[in-house]
Amino acid sequence: QVQLVESGGGLVKPGGSLRLSCAASGFTFSDYYLAWIRQAPGKGLEWLSYISSSNSYTNYADSVKGRFTISRDKAKKSLYLQMNSLRAEDTAVYYCARVLRQGVVIGGFDHWGQGSLVTVSS
Amino acid sequence: QSALTQPASVSGSPGQSITISCTGTNNDVGRYDYVSWFQQHPGKAPKLMIFDVSNRPSGVSDRFSGSKSGSTASLTISGLQAEDEADYYCGSYTSSATLVFGTGTKVTV
Repeated sequence: QVQLVESGGGLVKPGGSLRLSCAASGFTFSDYYLAWIRQAPGKGLEWLSYISSSNSYTNYADSVKGRFTISRDKAKKSLYLQMNSLRAEDTAVYYCARVLRQGVVIGGFDHWGQGSLVTVSS
Repeated sequence: QSALTQPASVSGSPGQSITISCTGTNNDVGRYDYVSWFQQHPGKAPKLMIFDVSNRPSGVSDRFSGSKSGSTASLTISGLQAEDEADYYCGSYTSSATLVFGTGTKVTV
């Protein structure tokens, strides 16, 4: 069955960096777009970024553009989110998610990880 | 990249039907039939309930249905059950090739 498992969350000081990982299994990794989505405490979902199945195309929300970088490793079947210049407002649970259809970004997210908490505080 | 607009809360009695609206613009909901709906219980990851406006993934109850008119999409839950009490979010593809979620609706049974 499809599984997505995030890791790498924790406490970081403002201005610091953190890299989240998402280990994928149960599907052909290179066939699907993958994305990062976050949820601040008590708040709604916010899409952050996605990366194409071929690893050739990425897109970002304005709130993280220039600070966060999404990447994927086919051999390790893993998705990453490098987060730099972190701010208090980046405090959230970060989810990785798989896009429903193979090879395209449309259609919604059909599988989600359990989430990884990132806390930005001095 | 403004969030899609949803009512903060909707409530209903067991067995009743409720509808949650999701209002966007001509650059997202109004332009594409790529609206999805997610259910989230407290402390859990979201679950896809509807994709492409009105399609249900395998395993999702047929009590959940979706529709769209202009720039407003809707999720209807019929035969409301206690287990349907959760937060619901819509999502859409946008003309900037980005993705956007709704503000979220708390459903109380």
